[in-house]
Amino acid sequence: GENVEQHPSTLSVQEGDSAVIKCTYSDSASNYFPWYKQELGKRPQLIIDIRSNVGEKKDQRIAVTLNKTAKHFSLHITETQPEDSAVYFCAARNNDMRFGAGTRLTVKP
Amino acid sequence: DGGITQSPKYLFRKEGQNVTLSCEQNLNHDAMYWYRQDPGQGLRLIYYSQIVNDFQKGDIAEGYSVSREKKESFPLTVTSAQKNPTAFYLCASSIGSGQETQYFGPGTRLLVL
Repeated sequence: GENVEQHPSTLSVQEGDSAVIKCTYSDSASNYFPWYKQELGKRPQLIIDIRSNVGEKKDQRIAVTLNKTAKHFSLHITETQPEDSAVYFCAARNNDMRFGAGTRLTVKP
Repeated sequence: DGGITQSPKYLFRKEGQNVTLSCEQNLNHDAMYWYRQDPGQGLRLIYYSQIVNDFQKGDIAEGYSVSREKKESFPLTVTSAQKNPTAFYLCASSIGSGQETQYFGPGTRLLVL
């Protein structure tokens, strides 16, 4: 089955800097890769997703890149703000959705 | 994702007791899922259902049971066989079970007395 690894587990950046979170997956048949943001005690919220026929997708300050050959995908947040502080999860899906362990991002004002 | 509701927000279980977590959606989604989240960890799949009257075990189904009698409802029962039930339980739904996005409910935090 699919196995998703996510790095780093914690990330601290200064406000205005960029943040990058990386994930690798094992199942080459996975074709859908969402990213979720979860604030403390709340539900995960989808922030961006990418499908396997696309290499990059951008939505304002957030971008995701996908390298199918290497089986890894990354989340890029530019011009970080304190409200970006949360836990971010990547996921990969073929038949089932598999989640990474999460990255706790802290943006220092 | 506002169309998915879970209740209660907090639930306390006594030793040997079965408890049921509610999940309802009004999004007309075919597929529904239950995940367990432990502190500092990702989401692990307990059960999922692709269609009414059908459901499949996920990675950690032992000690749990589900039913899918209606499209909009997918309750999860935590049985007494689940020895470590304390966790945050998240329900999700998607239009289908392919590349569609999963949307999450607000979660239920289960604590053992």
